[in-house]
Amino acid sequence: AQSVTQLDSHVSVSEGTPVLLRCNYSSSYSPSLFWYVQHPNKGLQLLLKYTSAATLVKGINGFEAEFKKSETSFHLTKPSAHMSDAAEYFCVVRPMNRDDKIIFGKGTRLHILP
Amino acid sequence: SQTIHQWPATLVQPVGSPLSLECTVEGTSNPNLYWYRQAAGRGLQLLFYSVGIGQISSEVPQNLSASRPQDRQFILSSKKLLLSDSGFYLCAWSVGPNTGELFFGEGSRLTVL
Repeated sequence: AQSVTQLDSHVSVSEGTPVLLRCNYSSSYSPSLFWYVQHPNKGLQLLLKYTSAATLVKGINGFEAEFKKSETSFHLTKPSAHMSDAAEYFCVVRPMNRDDKIIFGKGTRLHILP
Repeated sequence: SQTIHQWPATLVQPVGSPLSLECTVEGTSNPNLYWYRQAAGRGLQLLFYSVGIGQISSEVPQNLSASRPQDRQFILSSKKLLLSDSGFYLCAWSVGPNTGELFFGEGSRLTVL
């Protein structure tokens, strides 16, 4: 069975310091993986996606993620946090078997300290 | 370009009252449509999805229902709301089924009192 685990429910970083949001997945096949961002009382917006091309994926707003099959991870990073990055982030896995549903992680809330 | 509209943005309803949330998509044809609920402190829960007009799949048994009367219109309804129906409801669309790349509306905040 497929699953996705976001290892931290809350992450706090100071403005200007690096961001790391962790995501591990479990899938019988090579999945497609996504990161979404949700600002308060807003819908979700796609940050980036991995679909079996380059393992290092660059997204919007300076975020990137690296697919590591050996570690079954897809961690989201940003070199320097900005106050506007404060939001909730969701890791999503779409199994290659299209009969299986898209799976959302429980989310990580990112706090940016001034 | 494609856009998705969802309304109302905020709704406060008494227990036992009916509900209707609407979602429309513009700029695309035959989208796959989804209703998600996001309860406080929880992730997203898929409620319904539709691959075409009149085709609704329910993921979670509950007192909610969904309808797709037109290709780009998706409606979430209830005849009698429960306290547990409170939450943030999100409509989304995708080009194909289970693509993983979803486009979300702005959400509807429902408070049942």
